[in-house]
Amino acid sequence: DIQMTQSPSTLSASVGDRVTITCRASQSIYYYLAWYQQKPGKAPNLLIYKASTLESGVPSRFSGSGSGTEFTLTISSLQPDDFATYYCQQYDSTSRTFGQGTKVEIK
Amino acid sequence: QVQLQESGPGLVKPSGTLSLTCALSGASISTNNWWTWVRQPPGKGLEWIGEIHHSGSTNYNPSLKSRVTISVDKSENQFSLKLSSMTAADTAVYYCARGSSSSKVYMDVWGKGTTVTVSS
Repeated sequence: DIQMTQSPSTLSASVGDRVTITCRASQSIYYYLAWYQQKPGKAPNLLIYKASTLESGVPSRFSGSGSGTEFTLTISSLQPDDFATYYCQQYDSTSRTFGQGTKVEIK
Repeated sequence: QVQLQESGPGLVKPSGTLSLTCALSGASISTNNWWTWVRQPPGKGLEWIGEIHHSGSTNYNPSLKSRVTISVDKSENQFSLKLSSMTAADTAVYYCARGSSSSKVYMDVWGKGTTVTVSS
């Protein structure tokens, strides 16, 4: 299995902050990486796929970058609605795997 | 608008078999998408269980493969999950989701999830 490691596990930030979450793959996954946002008690919501393609309807303050084994999710100016847990997912392998999640908390 | 809705028992006995169904509305299950199951134990992260294409092709999580069967029912426009030999470690919220339409599958539409507890 391809292991996905996110950092940090928890992030404390304020409204308006620029926030970056990192996701590392145990082997190259090219650009087959998605990012999801999950709020408590809700299903995950797709934000980005193919490492940097924004899903329709997702605010432009979200962006993704990277290829190979290292990827980042950036929120350019954190909004109150963005406090949530974020997961990366690789889909290069037919055994899909998620990162362990990054919780973005209010500072 | 594509919607998915999970259904099934909320309580399963240890060593029993979980059977869940995901009903699809707003789209046909016979499109080129993959149809996926993901679970989330209480307070933990997401775990991919497996996926199926309407052609019958499947991919499973290697750690669950011996216990998992995913099937599709085109006549009912739904797909199903069976997980055998259930233990407390299988207690989780189970989500069904639509996967993308290539062999490289990410999930773009999710059901709301259904809580499954394993207990006698």
